[in-house]
Formats: sequence, C-alpha cells, structure tokens
Amino acid sequence: DGGITQSPKYLFRKEGQNVTLSCEQNLNHDAMYWYRQDPGQGLRLIYYSQIVNDFQKGDIAEGYSVSREKKESFPLTVTSAQKNPTAFYLCAGKQGSNTGELFFGEGSRLTVL
Amino acid sequence: QQQVKQSPQSLIVQKGGISIINCAYENTAFDYFPWYQQFPGKGPALLIAIRPDVSEKKEGRFTISFNKSAKQFSLHIMDSQPGDSATYFCAAPRSNSGYALNFGKGTSLLVTP
Repeated sequence: DGGITQSPKYLFRKEGQNVTLSCEQNLNHDAMYWYRQDPGQGLRLIYYSQIVNDFQKGDIAEGYSVSREKKESFPLTVTSAQKNPTAFYLCAGKQGSNTGELFFGEGSRLTVL
Repeated sequence: QQQVKQSPQSLIVQKGGISIINCAYENTAFDYFPWYQQFPGKGPALLIAIRPDVSEKKEGRFTISFNKSAKQFSLHIMDSQPGDSATYFCAAPRSNSGYALNFGKGTSLLVTP
C-alpha cells in the first residue's frame, strides 16, 4: 500500500501543548501541502513545500510550523500559539512542477480539550 | 488570496436525478479546474478536472462545464446514486503558491433512494 500516510488519525491535546502531525509519502511527490478543514469552511492552506529544506506560508500559517528535511516527510506542528486548533488536518502531495492533481492523505483530527 | 465561490451549500436529489453544483473563481494564472469528492472521515479525492482548451469534459456520469468568459464552471452528476452522497469541492490554482489549490467551501450532496 502506498500514497500519503497521515498519523495519528485522532489526537487529543490539552491547551498549551504542542503537537506534531506526521505526513509521509512514497509517491515521489516534489510538492507537499498542509490544509486545515473546518465545517462549512472548505480547505484552507497552512503551509506548502516545493523542495527539500524549503517551505512557504499559506493563508493561515500563524500558530503552525513545518519542516521538510527529506522529500518523503512533511510534518506539521500545531503550537500553543494557535488559538483555535481543533480541526481536521489534511496533507497532500503533487508530482511535477505545474498544475495537476493533489493526492490527499486520510487526515488527522485534532481535538483540544 | 483569490476566492473560489461554490453553491449551493447543500443539495438533496432523488435517485436517478441530476445534481448540479456551481463554482465561480477570480483571476488565476493557470487553467486547471478540478472537482474533489470527500466522504466522511476521509481525505478528498480527485473526481474530475478540466483544462479549458475545451468547454466540457465528461467521465461516465460526471461532467464539468466550463465558461471561461464568465469565470465559472459546474459539475453535473447524471443519474445520481445514493453512493454519490458526499461533499464536493471545486478548486482553482493559486498564484505564487507552488501550484497549490484554492478550494470552495463545499457542497454536501444527499441522494435519497
């Protein structure tokens, strides 16, 4: 089996704690993305990375951080500075250097208690 | 960032009927317009996409109609089935964002038996 693998699927966190969501891919995707999904809000871009050791902020990057130390991995850290972190987080990847299909993982649902 | 406006927010269609979802976009640097389908608790998956050197693309029961001058495109689901019940998102390419996509807020489709 392969594709975009996100873990954990469900995560509970206390206020004030940082948490890291894992995203791994074996599709040789050059670009990877993190989106946040809230009910009725669609998908909003948090961060994206086009190459290793480089990443850019999306529309709602405040309170989040990422790293891209290797091509296969693009973890997202939700920090205590994120005021409303409870959401469904989606990681995606894309091959090539032009427009095309984004392949999504199955998502991680984070709940802050 | 460019907006993608999707309507309706929700839709109920009888089995065998036609489901129509509409999308309008602002200026985009690239011509690539996909529709994604998402089932509860899963990541979105590409359903159908159009690169508008044509005004219409059909794949099975699913058709995209594209109107470049109006900056609108729509998804038609013919002979809708209960298994089509899902959330549908339209998307358009972002500018200067590593070929990420801007998504509409989604349409929740329910096909009744």
